[in-house]
Amino acid sequence: DAGVIQSPRHEVTEMGQEVTLRCKPISGHDYLFWYRQTMMRGLELLIYFNNNVPIDDSGMPEDRFSAKMPNASFSTLKIQPSEPRDSAVYFCASSLADGSLYNEQFFGPGTRLTVL
Amino acid sequence: GQSLEQPSEVTAVEGAIVQINCTYQTSGFYGLSWYQQHDGGAPTFLSYNALDGLEETGRFSSFLSRSDSYGYLLLQELQMKDSASYFCAVSDNQGGKLIFGQGTELSVKP
Repeated sequence: DAGVIQSPRHEVTEMGQEVTLRCKPISGHDYLFWYRQTMMRGLELLIYFNNNVPIDDSGMPEDRFSAKMPNASFSTLKIQPSEPRDSAVYFCASSLADGSLYNEQFFGPGTRLTVL
Repeated sequence: GQSLEQPSEVTAVEGAIVQINCTYQTSGFYGLSWYQQHDGGAPTFLSYNALDGLEETGRFSSFLSRSDSYGYLLLQELQMKDSASYFCAVSDNQGGKLIFGQGTELSVKP
């Protein structure tokens, strides 16, 4: 398997522009997670889905952020309008609930977002 | 609320043993996991403890004490490639939602 795929790997945009980050989870995985990582705030969970349904979006910072999972193999995280403080590395991760005690999360390579 | 505390940085020499501690305060607890992240890379899973005691995987071991809300990651026979950030993370349900600590940057010196 190719692992979790994210695109783009790098994104530079100007304040006020719309940004869309994309994620393809590992085939067969039923959980998908979006994280944001910064030096100041560390690795934060933004939202996660189970079987394409959003379960917990309490980490989404504000209404400018939205996430969708239209099918089992694709998810997007959108920021509109973007602000310089949104600059961070955004990770997507997926896992399989196989009934074991723990479901290891597999992370994608991340998207490094810079908002000027 | 939920919070995890771990040292911000640790330095050790090749061949040595190092222990990275993690204490947590969470409203619910299902297990403690550890992830490794090299500079510029993605976090990768190392180990998981749901029950008290020690779990060993090669050179890495992880320990959990639920009564003390405490765990640690033990790295033995340190190698230069072990230089990375190490994160403890608490899961509060089997669905795997993780709350991460701030990470410990490990530097391995020759």
